[in-house]
Amino acid sequence: QQQVKQSPQSLIVQKGGISIINCAYENTAFDYFPWYQQFPGKGPALLIAIRPDVSEKKEGRFTISFNKSAKQFSLHIMDSQPGDSATYFCAARWFTGNQFYFGTGTSLTVIP
Amino acid sequence: DSGVTQTPKHLITATGQRVTLRCSPRSGDLSVYWYQQSLDQGLQFLIHYYNGEERAKGNILERFSAQQFPDLHSELNLSSLELGDSALYFCASAREDRVGETQYFGPGTRLLVL
Repeated sequence: QQQVKQSPQSLIVQKGGISIINCAYENTAFDYFPWYQQFPGKGPALLIAIRPDVSEKKEGRFTISFNKSAKQFSLHIMDSQPGDSATYFCAARWFTGNQFYFGTGTSLTVIP
Repeated sequence: DSGVTQTPKHLITATGQRVTLRCSPRSGDLSVYWYQQSLDQGLQFLIHYYNGEERAKGNILERFSAQQFPDLHSELNLSSLELGDSALYFCASAREDRVGETQYFGPGTRLLVL
């Protein structure tokens, strides 16, 4: 059973556009929601993260929107650039802090 | 560079064999997580160690085992290998920060079982 459901599986966006990736979860025992970016041949790297008591967090062109009641969170990439082309994973941490569940990933391609 | 090292980078072996993957965490990080990444399964959590103690087990097969040593490096042992074990194996070291817990992933070990 997939604890964190991520969509879409792939996304193609024009340079300068907004990329939006969505995740949903069922278990309210999660207490921390990070997003990771992975380039081919590399390990994932933390992009931005949020706690469930915050509805939005912005860092540069990257924003997480968090809807606790709907159990959904999303990543928005503003002014998308070709260098943003990568696979993005959402994740959720079990409240005891010992286990992370990852979404299945979204392959983003930003075309010039 | 995340500061996490993994060896070897690539591993090719045959079914039925046993291999050991090694991970050195970032200096000062006490937590080590192991993940398996395959094309159809995404990132699957295997096991978590904190300062030498096992903290959580995920989708780890009985043929797989891990440990974290006093110097905090960790090893993942895979035995009786099957074709389906071919995947990328990542370790991540982690530390608490003001938001939650940042995991720093190593470059991974690509395992191919023939």
